[in-house]
Amino acid sequence: NAGVTQTPKFQVLKTGQSMTLQCAQDMNHNSMYWYRQDPGMGLRLIYYSASEGTTDKGEVPNGYNVSRLNKREFSLRLESAAPSQTSVYFCASSEGRLSGAKNIQYFGAGTRLSVL
Amino acid sequence: GNSVTQMEGPVTLSEEAFLTINCTYTATGYPSLFWYVQYPGEGLQLLLKATKADDKGSNKGFEATYRKETTSFHLEKGSVQVSDSAVYFCALTINQFYFGTGTSLTVIP
Repeated sequence: NAGVTQTPKFQVLKTGQSMTLQCAQDMNHNSMYWYRQDPGMGLRLIYYSASEGTTDKGEVPNGYNVSRLNKREFSLRLESAAPSQTSVYFCASSEGRLSGAKNIQYFGAGTRLSVL
Repeated sequence: GNSVTQMEGPVTLSEEAFLTINCTYTATGYPSLFWYVQYPGEGLQLLLKATKADDKGSNKGFEATYRKETTSFHLEKGSVQVSDSAVYFCALTINQFYFGTGTSLTVIP
């Protein structure tokens, strides 16, 4: 029972390079999310996808793009990486976006990204 | 707006000590409240939840009660163990998730 799987686990980039973080869930969830975690700032929402075919900006979307490839997969792309994007990135999924029991989020193990 | 404020860490306790991590929230409407736990090198895992006022969530000896009058959802455990060392996040959802900044707990033998 894999849950939410993120790849890669670690990545080092040079400023200006691009990369895509992959995320897949096997729980048939409708909604998927990308967060970044920085010391002292908790988790901040980058983008989310309420359902297949839709994406919306979160709190800190600048410098990122996303693709909801299908119901299972939600990727995050950095087109031109900057040192300020050094962070730990988490993908999450939930059955729905409504308040209550269906909005429990399940997280992947994270991708630790360093931009030099 | 919607937000979560939780007590600053880090918190260091001896094994079998009583734990309280404070969490207060601001919300426009009636949120559901959650505590998540993050063990070193891992993603967040749901610890417990409460979906309406006066509900008590509990799991693994941890408890938290949804207090609408004080807009609080404090996490408590009567006797912590070394294995409880982790970062704890309070969160609310009201169409979108809002997380607190996390409180690091270290339990020493």
